[in-house]
Amino acid sequence: NAGVTQTPKFQVLKTGQSMTLQCAQDMNHNSMYWYRQDPGMGLRLIYYSASEGTTDKGEVPNGYNVSRLNKREFSLRLESAAPSQTSVYFCASSEEGAADTQYFGPGTRLTVL
Amino acid sequence: AQSVTQPDIHITVSEGASLELRCNYSYGATPYLFWYVQSPGQGLQLLLKYFSGDTLVQGIKGFEAEFKRSQSSFNLRKPSVHWSDAAEYFCAVRSGGGADGLTFGKGTHLIIQP
Repeated sequence: NAGVTQTPKFQVLKTGQSMTLQCAQDMNHNSMYWYRQDPGMGLRLIYYSASEGTTDKGEVPNGYNVSRLNKREFSLRLESAAPSQTSVYFCASSEEGAADTQYFGPGTRLTVL
Repeated sequence: AQSVTQPDIHITVSEGASLELRCNYSYGATPYLFWYVQSPGQGLQLLLKYFSGDTLVQGIKGFEAEFKRSQSSFNLRKPSVHWSDAAEYFCAVRSGGGADGLTFGKGTHLIIQP
């Protein structure tokens, strides 16, 4: 039982390049999330998927797209990376209830030059 | 919109001393409140959560938190800290809407002095 896994762990991009961050969970959770963490800012929600087939914007969605590929997988795509997207990205999953715990992956550290 | 304030960016505590980390939230209805811990280079781990019932909540690693509606606070406490408690601590709030995400505070960095 690996929980929430993310690939890659580290990535360096040049401005304008594209990439997809992958996330998978093996807990049979319905809901999945993408957050970004910046120094002194805490974590901010980018997108979430309440259930398979649905996605919704969070607090900071600009410059990102997401795909809920199936119940297990939720990917985050940067179409044209910008230096402002340099951050640590965390994927999380949970059941659907508001009181349910979100379980976090280990993160992807992305640098955009 | 909901928000979370953690007034202390850094806190230094001697090993064996007690600890209290402050968290204030802004939300109209009864919130769902969480404390997470992040060790360097790691993901976030849930320490405890409150959603109803007893306002004093027990968590893992000897932590507890008390929900005070009148003060809009959810402070985290531990009676005696260990060097391994050095980490970043995040308070978070969630509305009752179900599967939407968490709103996090900016975090408190805990330093343990020997």
